[in-house]
Amino acid sequence: DTEVTQTPKHLVMGMTNKKSLKCEQHMGHRAMYWYKQKAKKPPELMFVYSYEKLSINESVPSRFSPECPNSSLLNLHLHALQPEDSALYLCASSQDDRAWYGYTFGSGTRLTVV
Amino acid sequence: AQSVTQPDIHITVSEGASLELRCNYSYGATPYLFWYVQSPGQGLQLLLKYFSGDTLVQGIKGFEAEFKRSQSSFNLRKPSVHWSDAAEYFCAVVRGSYIPTFGRGTSLIVHP
Repeated sequence: DTEVTQTPKHLVMGMTNKKSLKCEQHMGHRAMYWYKQKAKKPPELMFVYSYEKLSINESVPSRFSPECPNSSLLNLHLHALQPEDSALYLCASSQDDRAWYGYTFGSGTRLTVV
Repeated sequence: AQSVTQPDIHITVSEGASLELRCNYSYGATPYLFWYVQSPGQGLQLLLKYFSGDTLVQGIKGFEAEFKRSQSSFNLRKPSVHWSDAAEYFCAVVRGSYIPTFGRGTSLIVHP
C-alpha cells in the first residue's frame, strides 16, 4: 500500500458545526502532516506529527485541532470555522520528519464553510 | 531564510514539444531539492528529488531535472509533453528545519 487516504473528499459545513477530517496511511511512515491549500497557491503547513507526537504547530487557530491516535491515522477536528477557512486540506506522510525523503500526499478534502 | 522562486506562473506548450520549468533557490549551501506535480483536484505527487551526487536526476513520468550550483537552479525538463502532463508544478527546497519551502507553482497548459 503506497497511498495516503483522506476522507471525506468533500465537506460543506456551517460555522457552528463540528466535523473531522481523517487521514490514513499503511506505509509505516512515522511523520504525518496537515497542509492547507488555497486555489492557485502552494500548500501551507499547519501541523507536523512525528512518531505520534505533535512536533510543529504553525500558529494555527485553535478552531483546528489535530489528533494522531496511532501511527497510521491522523485526524483534524474542526469547530466554529470561518468562511475564509474554505480550502483544500491535504494530508501527507514521510518515512520520518527528515523531509529529504519527500512526502506522499493524499488527494485532499475540499472544505467549504458556509 | 531559504526561498524558492518559480518565475513562470503559466507555461503553454504544444503536445509533443519539449518542456523546461524553472526553479531558483536562495540559500548559502546546497539544499535538498524537490519537484512535485498536482493534477486538478488532486494532492501533490513527488516527481523527483536531489540531494547530492549526479546533478542530472531522473524522475517518474519521463521527467528529469538538472541541478546547477553556479546558477542556484533546479530546472525540470521533459523531452516530449503529453496532454496528461497539464497540471500545477511545485518546486520545493528543504534545509535545516526539515520543512519544505514550496515555490508558488507553475501552471502547465498543453495544447493539442
